[in-house]
Amino acid sequence: EDQVTQSPEALRLQEGESSSLNCSYTVSGLRGLFWYRQDPGKGPEFLFTLYSAGEEKEKERLKATLTKKESFLHITAPKPEDSATYLCAVQAEYGQNFVFGPGTRLSVLP
Amino acid sequence: EAGVAQSPRYKIIEKRQSVAFWCNPISGHATLYWYQQILGQGPKLLIQFQNNGVVDDSQLPKDRFSAERLKGVDSTLKIQPAKLEDSAVYLCASSLRDRPNQPQHFGDGTRLSIL
Repeated sequence: EDQVTQSPEALRLQEGESSSLNCSYTVSGLRGLFWYRQDPGKGPEFLFTLYSAGEEKEKERLKATLTKKESFLHITAPKPEDSATYLCAVQAEYGQNFVFGPGTRLSVLP
Repeated sequence: EAGVAQSPRYKIIEKRQSVAFWCNPISGHATLYWYQQILGQGPKLLIQFQNNGVVDDSQLPKDRFSAERLKGVDSTLKIQPAKLEDSAVYLCASSLRDRPNQPQHFGDGTRLSIL
């Protein structure tokens, strides 16, 4: 069965304090790994898609990386507006279509 | 580009009642998804449509949930009868087609509370 776990469950950072979020996955053939941002009361907002180990994507203060078993979302010098829940999802070659992790709630304090 | 539209935004019903949610995807998007998101959890896929047809409904509780996508555009999701455990946010998403390089665009969801 395809599974996605995320850690930590919640993270508090001071503004400017860089850190990383982890997404670990078990899937029979990875078709794609996705990162989304979700603000309270809103739907998830697409950030990145990664397809193969070694791939990296960047957007402003965010950088996503992928290995064969996990993905990291690195946040450099975060600002309060980066506060949100970050969701990771995998799409398998076979079986379930999209499987989301439980998310990491990030709070960036000014 | 207009985003995915969902209505209503909030719905409160009693258990055993029925409820329906509506979704209008982004124009031209062939693939439409319905997700259930329980508080503190990630979205769980309920059903995926490609144009008019169902691609995946393996996690849809078919004894009480039904969904349709007439004419390959708008979609409705219905629950009948509702149970307490159905309290959740129901999210609709769409993508150009079912390919990994096509991200899903989500609406803001319908928050359902069962009393």
